[in-house]
Amino acid sequence: DSGVTQTPKHLITATGQRVTLRCSPRSGDLSVYWYQQSLDQGLQFLIQYYNGEERAKGNILERFSAQQFPDLHSELNLSSLELGDSALYFCASSVGPAQETQYFGPGTRLLVL
Amino acid sequence: AQKITQTQPGMFVQEKEAVTLDCTYDTSDQSYGLFWYKQPSSGEMIFLIYQGSYDEQNATEGRYSLNFQKARKSANLVISASQLGDSAMYFCAMRGLEEGNTPLVFGKGTRLSVIA
Repeated sequence: DSGVTQTPKHLITATGQRVTLRCSPRSGDLSVYWYQQSLDQGLQFLIQYYNGEERAKGNILERFSAQQFPDLHSELNLSSLELGDSALYFCASSVGPAQETQYFGPGTRLLVL
Repeated sequence: AQKITQTQPGMFVQEKEAVTLDCTYDTSDQSYGLFWYKQPSSGEMIFLIYQGSYDEQNATEGRYSLNFQKARKSANLVISASQLGDSAMYFCAMRGLEEGNTPLVFGKGTRLSVIA
């Protein structure tokens, strides 16, 4: 158990819908990262937050957004969902914004029908 | 920009034998970190081992060791005394350490199957 929690574990929804994925980092970790794992694209970095502020952005679509709250949990919002958004979404956390190892949560498996 | 190449889509190993999973990388950074993660069929990503580019000794964590050859830009994972529970996908990853905000870049992974 990495100490990173993610909810829900599984999510099935329809095209055009909006969903919110939730992540709680390990105790003491200030940095949260979101990754998407799909069969065709592999593991891709989406976005990073550090202590409530956006720190780095990767291949995140405009339909996706995220935030980190004062209690350090983070949410990833996916809207206008398409079939291609079906993937495993991981949250990871680390103590600081750089150098430290990132520990991953169990992931949220999203299926868009 | 960083790039990770894992050339072995799948590997088989006999239980109790050692196995090496290959990883080569490309980066223009002088300071970087190399990581290996394990992803069992249940889906979670488990951190295994870390090697810093300036670490002179190869990293070891229990049955895992990282064979780091800087000049060849390789960071192979060696698993000794394989166990059935080692069957999983293994991902090599790296991040630059110079700017502070670089995310992990992953390879495509190697699927390891341990045979009894």
